[in-house]
Amino acid sequence: DQQVKQNSPSLSVQEGRISILNCDYTNSMFDYFLWYKKYPAEGPTFLISISSIKDKNEDGRFTVFLNKSAKHLSLHIVPSQPGDSAVYFCAAAEYGNKLVFGAGTILRVKS
Amino acid sequence: DTGVSQDPRHKITKRGQNVTFRCDPISEHNRLYWYRQTLGQGPEFLTYFQNEAQLEKSRLLSDRFSAERPKGSFSTLEIQRTEQGDSAMYLCAWRNEKLFFGSGTQLSVL
Repeated sequence: DQQVKQNSPSLSVQEGRISILNCDYTNSMFDYFLWYKKYPAEGPTFLISISSIKDKNEDGRFTVFLNKSAKHLSLHIVPSQPGDSAVYFCAAAEYGNKLVFGAGTILRVKS
Repeated sequence: DTGVSQDPRHKITKRGQNVTFRCDPISEHNRLYWYRQTLGQGPEFLTYFQNEAQLEKSRLLSDRFSAERPKGSFSTLEIQRTEQGDSAMYLCAWRNEKLFFGSGTQLSVL
């Protein structure tokens, strides 16, 4: 039972353009959402988060949008850079409970 | 600085052998987690500790797996009689609100 789904296994974007990574969830009790970035042979690193009381959170080039009615969130990276090439994981949790992760999306930014 | 140090970074073992991984928090972290990540999947929760108490275990944690956190400081994860399906990256993490992962231990079972 996959509660967090990332339906795009990979995404390829030109340097300088926008990258949009998508994530859907099924558990309406989730109230906290996070994005992580992972390079090969390293642990995931925290990128940005959003709580369910907001619909947008921005941090530099990274913006996360939350649509609670659609149970959908997205991560926008503008402008995309070659160093952004990595695997991106979406995660969700009920407050205080363990995080549940999606399967990840491989982002390739071409220079 | 990930907040936790994991050892070893890589482990190659033969099927049937026992392996043990260690996680050392760099400072005091009450909540310590173990996750496992296989290729093409996101991290999957295994277990977590609140100080020395193991408060939750995933059903992924078969009886071949055991985790400890003596004295509420470092934690160990042991896998007995390893199987090829145990090959994965094993991640230790600490949490305040967000989860912060260590660099992981990559296990390969031959």
